Amino acid sequence: QQQVKQSPQSLIVQKGGISIINCAYENTAFDYFPWYQQFPGKGPALLIAIRPDVSEKKEGRFTISFNKSAKQFSLHIMDSQPGDSATYFCALKEAGTASKLTFGTGTRLQVTL
Amino acid sequence: DSGVTQTPKHLITATGQRVTLRCSPRSGDLSVYWYQQSLDQGLQFLIQYYNGEERAKGNILERFSAQQFPDLHSELNLSSLELGDSALYFCASSAEGYGYTFGSGTRLTVV
Repeated sequence: QQQVKQSPQSLIVQKGGISIINCAYENTAFDYFPWYQQFPGKGPALLIAIRPDVSEKKEGRFTISFNKSAKQFSLHIMDSQPGDSATYFCALKEAGTASKLTFGTGTRLQVTL
Repeated sequence: DSGVTQTPKHLITATGQRVTLRCSPRSGDLSVYWYQQSLDQGLQFLIQYYNGEERAKGNILERFSAQQFPDLHSELNLSSLELGDSALYFCASSAEGYGYTFGSGTRLTVV
């Protein structure tokens, strides 16, 4: 059962452009929505995260937009740079004692010059 | 360096064999999580331990098992290996269950 759907699978953006990655989730109550960035051969690294009581969070060029009623959240990368080329994963944590994260299938971003 | 140490980095073994992957969590983190990442696949949750006890279980095969020791390091044991078990295996740790920190992974190749 896939609890989170991530799109697009891959994305090519020109340098300076805006990269947008979307995730949609299903019914279970979640209380934490992080985004992870993974470079080839490395482990995923936490990029930015949001909780459901906030509709938007910005950290530098990275912004999470959260729509609780639509059960959707997205990552926006402003002024995309070649160094942003990586795979991005959204994730969800269910409210409750279990703290495991469920990850989306990933988006491979390529930023071209 | 994320603070989560995984060994070995690479492992090549034959079908039918058994291997052990090791993870040392970040100092102070009580939770350890194991994930499997196959080629072009997402991160599949295998199992979580919290302070030595199993906390949650995902789609972990019966041929796989894990444990967390008193010093909080964890081991993932994979037995009767099949070609399809070839993947990257990641360990992550967390304090309160929110911010995961991942290790660099163990790349397992079954030949």
